[in-house]
Amino acid sequence: NAGVTQTPKFQVLKTGQSMTLQCAQDMNHNSMYWYRQDPGMGLRLIYYSASEGTTDKGEVPNGYNVSRLNKREFSLRLESAAPSQTSVYFCASLKGVTDRYNEQFFGPGTRLTVL
Amino acid sequence: AQSVTQLGSHVSVSEGALVLLRCNYSSSVPPYLFWYVQYPNQGLQLLLKYTSAATLVKGINGFEAEFKKSETSFHLTKPSAHMSDAAEYFCAVRTGGGNKLTFGTGTQLKVEL
Repeated sequence: NAGVTQTPKFQVLKTGQSMTLQCAQDMNHNSMYWYRQDPGMGLRLIYYSASEGTTDKGEVPNGYNVSRLNKREFSLRLESAAPSQTSVYFCASLKGVTDRYNEQFFGPGTRLTVL
Repeated sequence: AQSVTQLGSHVSVSEGALVLLRCNYSSSVPPYLFWYVQYPNQGLQLLLKYTSAATLVKGINGFEAEFKKSETSFHLTKPSAHMSDAAEYFCAVRTGGGNKLTFGTGTQLKVEL
């Protein structure tokens, strides 16, 4: 099992450009999450999908959109990138929301720089 | 909303010394707590989690954490640090519906010879 995979690993954008970050998991997990990591701020939740067909905003959703394409894939889109979106983005998945002790599994991250 | 506070953004220890990384939670109900580790340029990996079965939780790589309700703490310890323990450590608490996690700001552990 590859676990949680993310593409691309690195990306440089110019202000105003758009792009989609891809995430896929092969663990048959129901829930998926997108976080951003900034120095000194830990990880902050952008959007999540508790189950296929549903998405919800997290703590910092402005400037982002998501699509739960199917059970395996959860993409994050930046429609018009801004320098404030320079960050490391992590995707995570979790087996199911009914077991409160389940842990989230994380991908390797995408390092995004917006000039 | 539930939250966690990690005291000390940087901790430095000598190889072989005790590691103590602090985490305090704010919760009026039993919390669901986790410790994750992040090695340089990698994603997060679960170290251990509190499941209420025992107050002393053992994790991977010799780490353990003790849940203390009276102190609202879940500090991470390791008796003897190794160079390979150098990483960033995050405490997290389950928050609200959807099994969301709220993370602390992280503690960077440096291990010196």
